[in-house]
Amino acid sequence: EIVLTQSPGTLSLSPGERATLSCRASQSLSSSYLAWYHQKPGQAPRLLIYGASSRATGIPDRFSGSGSGTDFTLTISRLEPEDFVVYYCQQYGTSPITFGQGTRLEIK
Amino acid sequence: QLQLQESGPGLVKPSETLSLTCTVSGGSISNNNYYWGWIRQPPGKGLEWIGTIYYSGSTYYNPSLKSRVIISVDTSKNQFSLKLSSVTAADTAVYHCARRGLISAIWYPFDYWGQGTLVTVSS
Repeated sequence: EIVLTQSPGTLSLSPGERATLSCRASQSLSSSYLAWYHQKPGQAPRLLIYGASSRATGIPDRFSGSGSGTDFTLTISRLEPEDFVVYYCQQYGTSPITFGQGTRLEIK
Repeated sequence: QLQLQESGPGLVKPSETLSLTCTVSGGSISNNNYYWGWIRQPPGKGLEWIGTIYYSGSTYYNPSLKSRVIISVDTSKNQFSLKLSSVTAADTAVYHCARRGLISAIWYPFDYWGQGTLVTVSS
């Protein structure tokens, strides 16, 4: 099983600042099958990024993904108030599909 | 607009079988580009993939749950279902159904999700 480790566990920033979230895989991911989701309280996760760097439909361009192999990054260029939620990475190329433990983005 | 909706009992007794159904609307579950899955999330915790099914009935399960899970599909009703046997309190979670794609030999992650349903295991 591929283990995904997200860091930091909690990130405290202010609206307008830039956020950088990390996801490290225990082994290299095939074809960069790495996705990022965010999850608002009481809601289902929403897909932000797939293929490590492609934005999902309707996702604003302040969200960007990068990385390959075992190290991946989600960057939010200018934080909006609605961005202060939990973020998960997911690898979907090797069974079992696995998720990181999450990064909580909180308002400083 | 594709929509997925989970349904089933919100309370299950220990050692019994949890049964949930996901109804898909706004699209066909028989579309050969898509697979259909179950993901769960214990209260306050992270996400765990349970398993995935193709409209043909091919299934893929998380090894950690494989001995207790059965996922099935009913194309005539545009539904797929989850059965998890011998449940314990550790199976208490919000259960989501979701869709993922395999298009032109490229896999895609879960892009449409149901809102989720809380299942509590308690006597």
